Amino acid sequence: KAGVTQTPRYLIKTRGQQVTLSCSPISGHRSVSWYQQTPGQGLQFLFEYFSETQRNKGNFPGRFSGRQFSNSRSEMNVSTLELGDSALYLCASSPTSGPTGELFFGEGSRLTVL
Amino acid sequence: GNSVTQMEGPVTLSEEAFLTINCTYTATGYPSLFWYVQYPGEGLQLLLKATKADDKGSNKGFEATYRKETTSFHLEKGSVQVSDSAVYFCAPPNFNKFYFGSGTKLNVKP
Repeated sequence: KAGVTQTPRYLIKTRGQQVTLSCSPISGHRSVSWYQQTPGQGLQFLFEYFSETQRNKGNFPGRFSGRQFSNSRSEMNVSTLELGDSALYLCASSPTSGPTGELFFGEGSRLTVL
Repeated sequence: GNSVTQMEGPVTLSEEAFLTINCTYTATGYPSLFWYVQYPGEGLQLLLKATKADDKGSNKGFEATYRKETTSFHLEKGSVQVSDSAVYFCAPPNFNKFYFGSGTKLNVKP
């Protein structure tokens, strides 16, 4: 069974630009959640999508947005990039929504903002 | 409310040393607990899990027992290797699977 796939793995952007990251979950998983990981803040929850609907949301500004397609693939978008957005962005899939259960993570997309 | 507390790192050990990373919980009932591991440059992956009291999870030589008497889920390994150097997360810290603590960084020296 294929794992969670994130693309691109690495990317470099400049301040003010926008970026779109993609996540393909494990087949059959309908929940996709996104995280930002930085050395200073650790692993922080951005949002979760389940069956194309945002079900849970962390505490990030509106520049961070996401969506999920009917095949459960998800994208997250960051607009008007800031230097502090440099981070490893992880997505995880799960067969169910809600606060319990196991998460299956991708390898991450490492974003550098110059 | 429900919570999980994990020891802070970093933890530095020599190869073949015994490892314990402490994790204690406060909960009503026995929600599932997990240990995730993140190797350098990679995403998190599930190391082991326990779904009820007295459950013992094990994988790659690591073990953790969901103990109700001591409300603990400590991670142990009898002989660590350099390749075990990683960050370990006892999760979820507030019994919401989307939230993680800062983990415990393990450095194993040859």
